[in-house]
Amino acid sequence: DAGVIQSPRHEVTEMGQEVTLRCKPISGHNSLFWYRQTMMRGLELLIYFNNNVPIDDSGMPEDRFSAKMPNASFSTLKIQPSEPRDSAVYFCASSHSSNEKLFFGSGTQLSVL
Amino acid sequence: KQEVTQIPAALSVPEGENLVLNCSFTDSAIYNLQWFRQDPGKGLTSLLLIQSSQREQTSGRLNASLDKSSGRSTLYIAASQPGDSATYLCAAPASGGSYIPTFGRGTSLIVHP
Repeated sequence: DAGVIQSPRHEVTEMGQEVTLRCKPISGHNSLFWYRQTMMRGLELLIYFNNNVPIDDSGMPEDRFSAKMPNASFSTLKIQPSEPRDSAVYFCASSHSSNEKLFFGSGTQLSVL
Repeated sequence: KQEVTQIPAALSVPEGENLVLNCSFTDSAIYNLQWFRQDPGKGLTSLLLIQSSQREQTSGRLNASLDKSSGRSTLYIAASQPGDSATYLCAAPASGGSYIPTFGRGTSLIVHP
């Protein structure tokens, strides 16, 4: 398996623009997580899906952030409108079940100017 | 709310030393604990996962132990090598019986030749 695949690898955009980050989890994994990593706050959970259903979105900062998982092989994280404080590395991770090892993608480095 | 603390924040050792990285967590009602490695600009790689019923896990030169009652885990690296240089993070599930990993800030390790 190719592992967790995220795109794009880097994204530079201007404040106010819409940003969409994409994730393909490992085939057969039923748990999917979106995390954000910054120097100031470390790794923070944004949202957790189980069997394509959002279970915990308490980490989503505000209404500007939304996430979907239309099927078991694809998830998106959207920021609309983006702000400079959204600049961070966004990681997607998946696991076979909720009590097993977590596999991370390579992340999307987002810069909002 | 689960809080995960890692000490030390940074460590620099000469090649060949045995070393111990520490992780503490506030809510001991956890299902598992995971240790990860992160290289600069990369995603996280799972090293070891210890289930709550286990006391330790070993993989090559790595040994992780778990003491739920004291809220502590340690990662022991034997005969360190320059290739071990990376940031090491531990993750314990959030409070309330959750499976969602909450991460510490990590220990940045440099092993110099």
